[in-house]
Amino acid sequence: DAGVTQSPTHLIKTRGQQVTLRCSPKSGHDTVSWYQQALGQGPQFIFQYYEEEERQRGNFPDRFSGHQFPNYSSELNVNALLLGDSALYLCASREWMGGQGGYFGAGTRLSVL
Amino acid sequence: EDQVTQSPEALRLQEGESSSLNCSYTVSGLRGLFWYRQDPGKGPEFLFTLYSAGEEKEKERLKATLTKKESFLHITAPKPEDSATYLCAVLVSGTYKYIFGTGTRLKVLA
Repeated sequence: DAGVTQSPTHLIKTRGQQVTLRCSPKSGHDTVSWYQQALGQGPQFIFQYYEEEERQRGNFPDRFSGHQFPNYSSELNVNALLLGDSALYLCASREWMGGQGGYFGAGTRLSVL
Repeated sequence: EDQVTQSPEALRLQEGESSSLNCSYTVSGLRGLFWYRQDPGKGPEFLFTLYSAGEEKEKERLKATLTKKESFLHITAPKPEDSATYLCAVLVSGTYKYIFGTGTRLKVLA
């Protein structure tokens, strides 16, 4: 059973560019959340998607947007990249009606130069 | 403001030396508290969910407990393979918002 998969694993962009990160949830999971984790810090909640709608958003600017597809996979888009956007981006999935604990992917390491 | 604080930031133990990690929280309401383990370069690995004060969960050498203000992760007779960063997170009542602490970096020496 495949767990949460994220792509790409690493990405290098320059300031001002746009980036799209992808996430496939664990089989049987319909809810996807995205997190930003800076070096030495805990993950910061960006937003959560269920039934293709954003259900909750953390304290992130509108440059961060997302999408969930009918097959429950999800994308995170970041526009007008800043140096401070350099971080590990994590995707977590769970069942909407199941336990609240999420299962995480290995993340995408984004470096903005 | 909803907040989660973990202590200590870092902990070095000898193999077999038991200890506890602390997660204190200030939230408007608690739907659940979660413990994760994170190895370098990897995503967090789910360990436990606790929902109400007095609840306890165990898994091998780990035991998590919950009070109205904090949670403890007790590590009994740790082994070097228990070395990792341990993260605590809370789910705030009435929301789908998860708040993580900054973690405790545990190093167990052989």
